[in-house]
Amino acid sequence: TQLLEQSPQFLSIQEGENLTVYCNSSSVFSSLQWYRQEPGEGPVLLVTVVTGGEVKKLKRLTFQFGDARKDSSLHITAAQPGDTGLYLCAGEVDAGGTSYGKLTFGQGTILTVHP
Amino acid sequence: DTEVTQTPKHLVMGMTNKKSLKCEQHMGHRAMYWYKQKAKKPPELMFVYSYEKLSINESVPSRFSPECPNSSLLNLHLHALQPEDSALYLCASSQGGLGLASVRGQYFGPGTRLTVL
Repeated sequence: TQLLEQSPQFLSIQEGENLTVYCNSSSVFSSLQWYRQEPGEGPVLLVTVVTGGEVKKLKRLTFQFGDARKDSSLHITAAQPGDTGLYLCAGEVDAGGTSYGKLTFGQGTILTVHP
Repeated sequence: DTEVTQTPKHLVMGMTNKKSLKCEQHMGHRAMYWYKQKAKKPPELMFVYSYEKLSINESVPSRFSPECPNSSLLNLHLHALQPEDSALYLCASSQGGLGLASVRGQYFGPGTRLTVL
């Protein structure tokens, strides 16, 4: 069983602060995805990273994929109350092209941004 | 259009009832998924359909029965559920399918909030 350790589990910050969420594993992933989920809704795909060392930016969000494709981070600059939600990382295990679409999810980070 | 739709949004059922959850996507995706999610936990994979064929069953109890009538539709038939089956049931789809290189991201529907009494 491939594990994806996500930290921190909870994060409560003030508007305007910066934050970083981490996902780490001993397994190599062919791709890693980040999702944001609000209560009562389904997860929304934020980004997919594929190449080791890849960095992607989405407005105030910066996503990085580790060089060895075993870890990833999400950095939010100047957090806003609208960023509040459950953030999930999910990795597709590199199994020689036969991953069958299975994702390994981290345990999630519940982010609360106070006005 | 990157939308996955699910109906109903809420469902309350007794342990002897039979009900169905429905999911639809029109993105031309060839892989579709059912997940179960408990509050503040990550989604747990239940089933994967690839090119309309069941490719993964994560040892789900037989009281859950999936069906894929065509490439755009996915159903989950429910029968004789238990109260512990109460959860948010999520449908998702992705471009990738069985044997293809990578999923490249799954698109989730809003979910069906199921309560079993």
